[in-house]
Amino acid sequence: NAGVTQTPKFQVLKTGQSMTLQCAQDMNHEYMSWYRQDPGMGLRLIHYSVGAGITDQGEVPNGYNVSRSTTEDFPLRLLSAAPSQTSVYFCASSYSGDTQYFGPGTRLTVL
Amino acid sequence: AQSVAQPEDQVNVAEGNPLTVKCTYSVSGNPYLFWYVQYPNRGLQFLLKYITGDNLVKGSYGFEAEFNKSQTSFHLKKPSALVSDSALYFCAVSHRNTDKLIFGTGTRLQVFP
Repeated sequence: NAGVTQTPKFQVLKTGQSMTLQCAQDMNHEYMSWYRQDPGMGLRLIHYSVGAGITDQGEVPNGYNVSRSTTEDFPLRLLSAAPSQTSVYFCASSYSGDTQYFGPGTRLTVL
Repeated sequence: AQSVAQPEDQVNVAEGNPLTVKCTYSVSGNPYLFWYVQYPNRGLQFLLKYITGDNLVKGSYGFEAEFNKSQTSFHLKKPSALVSDSALYFCAVSHRNTDKLIFGTGTRLQVFP
């Protein structure tokens, strides 16, 4: 098992550009989620999904979109990047009610 | 509102000494409680969790945590610290009816030789 994989590892964007952060898991987990990690603030939930075709907002959803067309993939889209979205992004997955396993992260810088 | 507090930004301990990283929470009902560790430039690794049962939970790398319902705490402990334990530690909680994790702000553990 590869576990939870994320691409790219690093990305630099200019303000206003759009991009998609990829997340995939090969554990057949129903639950997937996206977090952002900022210094002194821990991890905050952006969006989550309880299964294919079902997504919902977390604590900080503004500026981000998600979709879940398959069990394996849960991409995060930045529609128009802003400097405030400079952060480290983590994807996680789990069976419902069980331990969440995290990917290695994507470090995003928006200039 | 649900929240998790890690009151110490950094904990310093000498190698071989016991360590404690503190966590308190405010969640209605009976939550699930977790500890994760993050090494530099890496993702979060699961250490241990409390779901129900024995208040003392044993996890990876010799770590354990004690659930105290009356004090709403879930402190992480290790009897003898190693230099390799130096990392960022996160406490997290979820309500039993949801998988959404609420994280504390993290505590940096520094173990000195």
